[in-house]
Amino acid sequence: EVQLVDSGGDSVQPGGSLRLSCAASGFIFRDSWMTWVRQAPGRGLEWVAGIKHDGSEKWYVGSVRGRFTISRDNAESTLYLQMNSLRVDDTAVYYCLGSGWSASWGQGTLVTVS
Amino acid sequence: QAVVTQEPSLTVSPGGTVTLTCGSSAGPVTSAHYPYWFQQKSGQAPRTLIYDIYNRHSGAPARFSGSLLGDKVALTLSGAQPEDEADYYCYLSYAGVGAIFGGGTKLTVL
Repeated sequence: EVQLVDSGGDSVQPGGSLRLSCAASGFIFRDSWMTWVRQAPGRGLEWVAGIKHDGSEKWYVGSVRGRFTISRDNAESTLYLQMNSLRVDDTAVYYCLGSGWSASWGQGTLVTVS
Repeated sequence: QAVVTQEPSLTVSPGGTVTLTCGSSAGPVTSAHYPYWFQQKSGQAPRTLIYDIYNRHSGAPARFSGSLLGDKVALTLSGAQPEDEADYYCYLSYAGVGAIFGGGTKLTVL
C-alpha cells in the first residue's frame, strides 16, 4: 500500500523557517516525481513545488520561489520542503503527493504563520 | 500563466450521471498535461481518482471515469451516491513551469 506521512508543521512568526518532511513507503520512491501542495483555510488546493525523480529539476509557484526549497533523499524515501522567510499568507495545510499510480496523498501538516 | 477552469458547482440526483470538465486558457488539454482528478470531502485530505486522463487510481470507485471532451478533460460520475458529495479538483502539468490546480467543482448530490 502506498503511504505518505507528512510532518514538521508548526506555528511560527513571520520571517521564520520550517522544514516539512514526507516519509514514503509502498512504492519505488526513487522513480517517482513528487509534489508539495497546500490548502489555505477555506480555500482550494494550490500547487507549491515539484521535483523530478532524481532531483535534477525543481519547479516552484511564483509566490514561494526564492523562499522555499524542495528536495529529496531517495535513500531514505523522504521528501522535504524547506520554508524560509515565512509570511502570513503561507498559512495552510501542506500535503505531499506522489505521481501516476503512486499519486497518493499524505495526511497533511499544518503550518501557521502569525 | 495559464488558468485552469472548472465549473464552480454542479448538482446531480442520486443514481444520476454528471460530467465535470477542466480546461486550460493556454489551449487544448492533452495527454502532455498529465491530467489528474482529485476528490476532497469536507474536513478530509484529498484523494486521487484519475491520473493521466483515463487511469483510475487504486481504490477509486468504478463509477468514476476520465476522458477527453473536445479541448478539455472530463470526469464522469455514473450512478451518483450520497457519499460522492465533495469538492473535485482538476490538476494540469505545464512542461518546464510546474502545475496548476483548477478552482474546484462543488458537487451536490440531491
